[in-house]
Amino acid sequence: SSELTQDPAVSVALGQTVRITCQGDSLRSYYASWYQQKPGQAPVLVIYGTNKRPSGIPDRFSGSSSGNTPSLTITGAQAEDEADYYCNSRDSSGNHVVFGGGTKLTVL
Amino acid sequence: QVQLVESGGGLVKPGGSLRLSCAASGFTFSDSYMSWIRQAPGKGLECISYISSSSSTKYNADSVKGRFTISRDNAKNSLFLQMNTLRAEDTAVYYCATVKWELGVRFEYWGQGALVTVSS
Repeated sequence: SSELTQDPAVSVALGQTVRITCQGDSLRSYYASWYQQKPGQAPVLVIYGTNKRPSGIPDRFSGSSSGNTPSLTITGAQAEDEADYYCNSRDSSGNHVVFGGGTKLTVL
Repeated sequence: QVQLVESGGGLVKPGGSLRLSCAASGFTFSDSYMSWIRQAPGKGLECISYISSSSSTKYNADSVKGRFTISRDNAKNSLFLQMNTLRAEDTAVYYCATVKWELGVRFEYWGQGALVTVSS
């Protein structure tokens, strides 16, 4: 079982905004990172340090946090954003890594 | 550009062994923490092992402790995972990935993955 909790599935209408959240006690102390994974492909880092975007990631992807609940927001979702999204961070000890269970995003 | 290429996956019987390799290029491998992350069919991501740049720090998840060994060869820009006493539940795609321990932890670059199937 994950120490980070995500909603299993979320849907969004094409062009609309969607927020995917991640919850866990360790997130009070450590930043979250987010990954996008499309079927048959390796995950891609889309947000790290809660709100930093690696080069090459579209600016419709953004991150934020409220308390111990970081969020990944996609503003103006595109069909190609349909994917699984995973959060990760350090565990409560700070020494190891945990992933959330993943959120399947459907773009309608 | 950064490239990570896994090899060594395949079909193995329960109790058997397999050695995965990851060839790295496009970055300073000897300065980088590296990891193995696996994904069972239809399941989420699990970081099972990581190793520091000098090999002085190694971690194995409880699920593989005592059976899997991570190692690296900085002269050959290569990462390895020796998997022994394999079980059906080890069936997964295994990814190698770079690790950054800043601003939390993040896996910046990933390989394409190697499929390991444990079945009789």
